[in-house]
Amino acid sequence: DARVTQTPRHKVTEMGQEVTMRCQPILGHNTVFWYRQTMMQGLELLAYFRNRAPLDDSGMPKDRFSAEMPDATLATLKIQPSEPRDSAVYFCASGQGGSSYNEQFFGPGTRLTVL
Amino acid sequence: GENVEQHPSTLSVQEGDSAVIKCTYSDSASNYFPWYKQELGKRPQLIIDIRSNVGEKKDQRIAVTLNKTAKHFSLHITETQPEDSAVYFCAAKDSGNTPLVFGKGTRLSVIA
Repeated sequence: DARVTQTPRHKVTEMGQEVTMRCQPILGHNTVFWYRQTMMQGLELLAYFRNRAPLDDSGMPKDRFSAEMPDATLATLKIQPSEPRDSAVYFCASGQGGSSYNEQFFGPGTRLTVL
Repeated sequence: GENVEQHPSTLSVQEGDSAVIKCTYSDSASNYFPWYKQELGKRPQLIIDIRSNVGEKKDQRIAVTLNKTAKHFSLHITETQPEDSAVYFCAAKDSGNTPLVFGKGTRLSVIA
């Protein structure tokens, strides 16, 4: 049963520190999404990639967030410097693009706490 | 761009009763409408979806209806059970490269 994996599952850090979250999409999927989930805002799309190229990162605060896909099996989301308001669960999802109807499969999430 | 509104934000029902969650969307070009269920501490998972060329789809106790003219779609859960308690998200997208746009979620509590 292929699944999206994310590491770490939990991260507690202090304000100002760099945070890196990693995602391994399902093998063969060419589209990767990063979402942030908070109680107040629900699921916010931060950025997404197709065939490793960024298609949209308008949901991401550019001054501190960056997202990359070094290769087809790894997507990263970095926050530098981190702030308490970044505390949230960060989900990665992958899918097979090219069709309207393709399911997005979510990873287990990284729960980030910035003190 | 697309905007999806979801209501209610919380819903409590007695076990065995039905639950209905409603969503509206703004982009008439949207043609795919999935519903995700997220249990506490878990990842969102697709439970049912509907495409714009059909008006209703059923899978056991869950069903989704779509009214393209009014731009709204609904999730219906019949004979609710405690394990149905979760947060449910609706979403919409059009064809092409655009991603899903999610509603804010509905927290469903089924009281035994």
